[in-house]
Amino acid sequence: KAGVTQTPRYLIKTRGQQVTLSCSPISGHRSVSWYQQTPGQGLQFLFEYFSETQRNKGNFPGRFSGRQFSNSRSEMNVSTLELGDSALYLCASSLEPTGANTGELFFGEGSRLTVL
Amino acid sequence: AQSVSQHNHHVILSEAASLELGCNYSYGGTVNLFWYVQYPGQHLQLLLKYFSGDPLVKGIKGFEAEFIKSKFSFNLRKPSVQWSDTAEYFCAVSHNAGNMLTFGGGTRLMVKP
Repeated sequence: KAGVTQTPRYLIKTRGQQVTLSCSPISGHRSVSWYQQTPGQGLQFLFEYFSETQRNKGNFPGRFSGRQFSNSRSEMNVSTLELGDSALYLCASSLEPTGANTGELFFGEGSRLTVL
Repeated sequence: AQSVSQHNHHVILSEAASLELGCNYSYGGTVNLFWYVQYPGQHLQLLLKYFSGDPLVKGIKGFEAEFIKSKFSFNLRKPSVQWSDTAEYFCAVSHNAGNMLTFGGGTRLMVKP
């Protein structure tokens, strides 16, 4: 069974640009969450999608947005990039057949974004 | 807002030593508690979780954790560590529906053979 797949794995952008990151969850998983990981702030929750609806949102500015498609694949977008957006962005999926969360997240390897 | 504190940032142990990693959270209501582990070069993966019931929960690879509500703690333990337990360990908490987890800063464990 394939794991959570994130693309691209590495990317370099300059300030002011925008970026789109993609996440393909494990087949059958309906919940997709995004986290930002930095050395200074650790792992911080960005948002979660379930059945194409945003279910939870973290404390990030509106430049960070996401969406989920009908096949559960998810994308997140960061506009007007800042130096501080350099981070590892992790996607996690969860199997929730009844909509009740199990709390078990399956993480991808992440997309490492460097903003110059 | 809830927060999670892991007091030990780096721990070095010899094989067969006992392990206890501290985790404290700040939230007054009902919480779900987790420990995740990241082995070198691998993804984050769930070690164990507590939702309700017996406050002593057992996870994979001989790990266990005890939820002490009065202390807002969920410490991770293992009686005898192995070199293969070298990894970074993250405590996490959620308090609402969905998978919005608040993570602690992580503890890097190194086990010397």
